[in-house]
Amino acid sequence: ELKVEQNPLFLSMQEGKNYTIYCNYSTTSDRLYWYRQDPGKSLESLFVLLSNGAVKQEGRLMASLDTKARLSTLHITAAVHDLSATYFCAAGMDSNYQLIWGAGTKLIIKP
Amino acid sequence: ETGVTQSPTHLIKTRGQQVTLRCSSQSGHNTVSWYQQALGQGPQFIFQYYREEENGRGNFPPRFSGLQFPNYSSELNVNALELDDSALYLCASSSILAGYEQFFGPGTRLTVL
Repeated sequence: ELKVEQNPLFLSMQEGKNYTIYCNYSTTSDRLYWYRQDPGKSLESLFVLLSNGAVKQEGRLMASLDTKARLSTLHITAAVHDLSATYFCAAGMDSNYQLIWGAGTKLIIKP
Repeated sequence: ETGVTQSPTHLIKTRGQQVTLRCSSQSGHNTVSWYQQALGQGPQFIFQYYREEENGRGNFPPRFSGLQFPNYSSELNVNALELDDSALYLCASSSILAGYEQFFGPGTRLTVL
């Protein structure tokens, strides 16, 4: 059974600092997703990672995937207040579209 | 290109009632997945529809049922509502051509009193 764990679950940081959110999954997964959710809002797709060693970057966010370690990371560089949100990772299999989600990391960035 | 839409936005029901939530998938997407997200938690997969057939189901009781129509829009029906059914219900559309990426609608906030 595929399970996904994120850590930390809560992160408070200062603007300008760097930090990393970790996402571990328990069995082989074909796809790893990162989503952002603002309070009371829906989920916004950030990255889809499909292969070992995949790295994607958008602005101050960079996601990577290590399928051998069953680990994905979301790295935040020089954080700004607008990045405050809850970030979810989710893992999926090619055999179906079901996504198994982590519990989310609530990120607060203080000026 | 029209994104994923859901209706209604908010809904208040009482325990024991029945509710129907609706989702229109993004243009060109033939697969719709439904998720339940309780406050402060990650989404939980309810079920998925592909070409009008259920294509997988999570750990939800039979009182959660669904439909997909020929235009790929979908409904989620919940019978005999319980207090714990209060949550944000999200639908996501996808297709192989979209590279498995799931695009989420704005959600329906259901409150059961």
